[in-house]
Amino acid sequence: NAGVTQTPKFRILKIGQSMTLQCAQDMNHNYMYWYRQDPGMGLKLIYYSVGAGITDKGEVPNGYNVSRSTTEDFPLRLELAAPSQTSVYFCASSVIGTRRTQYFGPGTRLLVL
Amino acid sequence: QQQVKQSPQSLIVQKGGISIINCAYENTAFDYFPWYQQFPGKGPALLIAIRPDVSEKKEGRFTISFNKSAKQFSLHIMDSQPGDSATYFCAGSGGSNYKLTFGKGTLLTVNP
Repeated sequence: NAGVTQTPKFRILKIGQSMTLQCAQDMNHNYMYWYRQDPGMGLKLIYYSVGAGITDKGEVPNGYNVSRSTTEDFPLRLELAAPSQTSVYFCASSVIGTRRTQYFGPGTRLLVL
Repeated sequence: QQQVKQSPQSLIVQKGGISIINCAYENTAFDYFPWYQQFPGKGPALLIAIRPDVSEKKEGRFTISFNKSAKQFSLHIMDSQPGDSATYFCAGSGGSNYKLTFGKGTLLTVNP
């Protein structure tokens, strides 16, 4: 299993541009999450999904959109990029059950100039 | 409102020493408390986790101590090694959506 994969690894965007961060998992996990990590601020939940077709906002959803058409994929869309969206983005997944381990991808570093 | 407060922000320990990181939570609905370890350039990975029905959980050199009445929990790393140098995050979770609320992290440096 590849686990949770994310593409791209690094991207530079100009202010106002849009892009999609890709996330895929091959563990058949129902739950998927998007976080952003800023220095000294921990991980903040952007959006999450409990299954295909079901998404909900996390703590910091403004400026982002998500979709979940399949169990495997959970892309994050940035519309009209702003410097405040410069961050490292992590996708994670977990399985339903008593164990709540979230498995994280390697991250996407985004720089908005 | 920060629901999980973590301290210290950074910690320097000598090889063989004990590293202690503390967390406090506010949400009494939390019923799962994991610690994640993150190396530079990598995603976080689960290190150890505890539920509030026990006061301590040990896995190798890593121990979580949990105080339900004080709403506090801590990570102890015994015989700290340079390979333990990483950022450590505590978190809390409750409810059916399995969302994690993370602390701000502690950068641990273990000097040889």
